[in-house]
Amino acid sequence: KQEVTQIPAALSVPEGENLVLNCSFTDSAIYNLQWFRQDPGKGLTSLLLIQSSQREQTSGRLNASLDKSSGRSTLYIAASQPGDSATYLCAVTYTGNQFYFGTGTSLTVIP
Amino acid sequence: DTGVSQDPRHKITKRGQNVTFRCDPISEHNRLYWYRQTLGQGPEFLTYFQNEAQLEKSRLLSDRFSAERPKGSFSTLEIQRTEQGDSAMYLCASSPITGELFFGEGSRLTVL
Repeated sequence: KQEVTQIPAALSVPEGENLVLNCSFTDSAIYNLQWFRQDPGKGLTSLLLIQSSQREQTSGRLNASLDKSSGRSTLYIAASQPGDSATYLCAVTYTGNQFYFGTGTSLTVIP
Repeated sequence: DTGVSQDPRHKITKRGQNVTFRCDPISEHNRLYWYRQTLGQGPEFLTYFQNEAQLEKSRLLSDRFSAERPKGSFSTLEIQRTEQGDSAMYLCASSPITGELFFGEGSRLTVL
């Protein structure tokens, strides 16, 4: 069974702090890895997609890295803001047909 | 709005009733996915379409669940004889050739 683990399950930081969210997966032969945010009761919003040939992707204050050999990805958020408060999920796919999700990290940014 | 659209957003039903959810993907996306999410968990894969063909279906999906995507456009997910354990958020996503998933807002099902 393919497993995706996200640590920590919850994180609380003061506004302005830089932070790192972690995602690990059991099989290194991934096709894509994607990071999402989810607000309570809402759907998932795509943040960054990293294809298997890439090492990192950046969008604004977000930077995601991928290390297939160690089965890990990190999402770096710079200068956190209260609006960043949400649950962050990572998902991996090995074929493009089925994505495996972690249980997410719940982030709270304190003003 | 050109994102993924799901309907209804909320559905409350009694145990044993049938329910149907509809998903309209982003128009140029040929791949469509259904996921189920319960509180505190990540989304769980249900099924996947490429155009009108249903190419993959979770072994966890009982025969009470059926999905269709006629003409490779919108998709429906039907749950027959609902059970309380079916209460969840049902999420639809579509993707282009790059494989990036784009989700709708979800349809929340409550079975009483």
